[in-house]
Amino acid sequence: EAQVTQNPRYLITVTGKKLTVTCSQNMNHEYMSWYRQDPGLGLRQIYYSMNVEVTDKGDVPEGYKVSRKEKRNFPLILESPSPNQTSLYFCASSPRGSGANVLTFGAGSRLTVL
Amino acid sequence: AQTVTQSQPEMSVQEAETVTLSCTYDTSESDYYLFWYKQPPSRQMILVIRQEAYKQQNATENRFSVNFQKAAKSFSLKISDSQLGDAAMYFCAYSPYNAGNNRKLIWGLGTSLAVNP
Repeated sequence: EAQVTQNPRYLITVTGKKLTVTCSQNMNHEYMSWYRQDPGLGLRQIYYSMNVEVTDKGDVPEGYKVSRKEKRNFPLILESPSPNQTSLYFCASSPRGSGANVLTFGAGSRLTVL
Repeated sequence: AQTVTQSQPEMSVQEAETVTLSCTYDTSESDYYLFWYKQPPSRQMILVIRQEAYKQQNATENRFSVNFQKAAKSFSLKISDSQLGDAAMYFCAYSPYNAGNNRKLIWGLGTSLAVNP
């Protein structure tokens, strides 16, 4: 089944404890991105990647890092999480070509930082 | 900057009835995509329908159809024969046609749809 897989789905952590949210897609998509969803603010892009080793900042990159060492994987790293990073996170991917603007989303990762 | 506005935070519909969700957007681009995504309680973001701005014909997907008014920058979603499983948050989103390296979607804040049995 074609899908984007995020892990963990739920995580409660404490301020300053490094964590990584993994994202993997099995559709050979070139483009991957991360969004966070917050009440009243909607979905906002954190980082995106056009291909392996090509990443760039979105609208709200502060406090986050990403890497794209393999085409299928695009992990989101919170080096020192803070309570304002409590949010619902989505990874998404899309192919090159005519379907380029259609994003396939993961199931979301609910992160709580205490 | 492009913006997407959904003016109805909440709506409700009776099962089997028809409901229309509103969306307006602002852009200076002539070519772009518009989307409706559904987010059920599971939180999964599911594509409902997509419209290319250069196409005059309104997109349809089974019980879901859009009314795309390019000049008015309006993109409403009509759900016919509403079912209990249609209850969800619905998001309108915009993407430039030629987004370069970033295929970012610009999102509205959503409309919460309740379906009453």
